[in-house]
Amino acid sequence: EDKVVQSPLSLVVHEGDTVTLNCSYEVTNFRSLLWYKQEKKAPTFLFMLTSSGIEKKSGRLSSILDKKELFSILNITATQTGDSAVYLCAVGLYTGNQFYFGTGTSLTVIP
Amino acid sequence: DGGITQSPKYLFRKEGQNVTLSCEQNLNHDAMYWYRQDPGQGLRLIYYSQIVNDFQKGDIAEGYSVSREKKESFPLTVTSAQKNPTAFYLCASSILAGAVNEQFFGPGTRLTVL
Repeated sequence: EDKVVQSPLSLVVHEGDTVTLNCSYEVTNFRSLLWYKQEKKAPTFLFMLTSSGIEKKSGRLSSILDKKELFSILNITATQTGDSAVYLCAVGLYTGNQFYFGTGTSLTVIP
Repeated sequence: DGGITQSPKYLFRKEGQNVTLSCEQNLNHDAMYWYRQDPGQGLRLIYYSQIVNDFQKGDIAEGYSVSREKKESFPLTVTSAQKNPTAFYLCASSILAGAVNEQFFGPGTRLTVL
């Protein structure tokens, strides 16, 4: 059975801290891994990763994929209160163009 | 502006009633999806469609039905057979096939059964 597991489930940090969110997966026909940020509404797209070892960066956020060990990490440096959200990991499959989502990591950044 | 619209934003339903959630996209995407999100959980796939007049069940299709008569529209009906329909429903779309692609999400519909 295909599955996507995120850890930790929740995280509370202080502004300025650096956090690492984890996503591991066991799927057949892997095509891509995606990270989304959700703030009480629709998820917004952050990154899409398809190749191992290539870091994607956007400001203070970065992500990397390891297709051998079947996991990805999302790093957020110098966290701000605006980073508080649920971060969702999703794996895209070639089969039927489906996406499987993890349960998310709830991040709370305290001033 | 291109995007995905869902309506209504909030919906209240009495037990035993069917209700239809609207999803429209003008992104010219081939694939469309319906997800359900419960508190503290990730998104679970209800139905998806890769092309007009064709759709497949996701992991939790029981008690739901869909249609895809037009490329732009993918309405979801929550039937009285769905035992626990109160949830946040998200519609998404993506470019189909070939290249890898991301999903774009609508703003969601929050359904509450009274």
